[in-house]
Amino acid sequence: EDKVVQSPLSLVVHEGDTVTLNCSYEVTNFRSLLWYKQEKKAPTFLFMLTSSGIEKKSGRLSSILDKKELFSILNITATQTGDSAVYLCAVRRGGGSNYKLTFGKGTLLTVNP
Amino acid sequence: ETGVTQTPRHLVMGMTNKKSLKCEQHLGHNAMYWYKQSAKKPLELMFVYSLEERVENNSVPSRFSPECPNSSHLFLHLHTLQPEDSALYLCASSQDPGGNQPQHFGDGTRLSIL
Repeated sequence: EDKVVQSPLSLVVHEGDTVTLNCSYEVTNFRSLLWYKQEKKAPTFLFMLTSSGIEKKSGRLSSILDKKELFSILNITATQTGDSAVYLCAVRRGGGSNYKLTFGKGTLLTVNP
Repeated sequence: ETGVTQTPRHLVMGMTNKKSLKCEQHLGHNAMYWYKQSAKKPLELMFVYSLEERVENNSVPSRFSPECPNSSHLFLHLHTLQPEDSALYLCASSQDPGGNQPQHFGDGTRLSIL
């Protein structure tokens, strides 16, 4: 059974800090890893990673995948209160069930002013 | 605005009631999904539809009955639910189920069973 473990489960920081969120996974026939940000409503898509060692970047957020060690990190620099959310990691397998995303429990990030 | 609209936003119902959740996507996608999000648990996939055909029923109890009349609309019909069914129900869509495209989520329906 596919498995996604995120750490830490929660994190409290001050504005301006840099944070690193972790996601480790076990999946049959790995295809891609996705990061989502969930505030009170819909999870919104951040990144999709398929290749090891290639950093994806969007503003203050960046993410990288290590397919050998089976993990990904999401970095947020110069955090702002608007970054407060639950960050979800999900993996997709290839093959016949390649529509299925397996999610982790998420990391709750709180950024205090 | 994610392009995926869910109604109602909140629903409170008794265990003997029948109600339906609605999802509509405006993204031209061909695949739609229902997920359940309970407190302190990962998002759980319930159903997947591809071009209006169900391709996954992830061991969901029969008191949940999905319907996909066309590629833009998805319903989840509810009857005789249990208190443990209280959760956030999220709808998502993607370009197609087999491609490597991200799923886009609606805001969800917060369901409370009395």
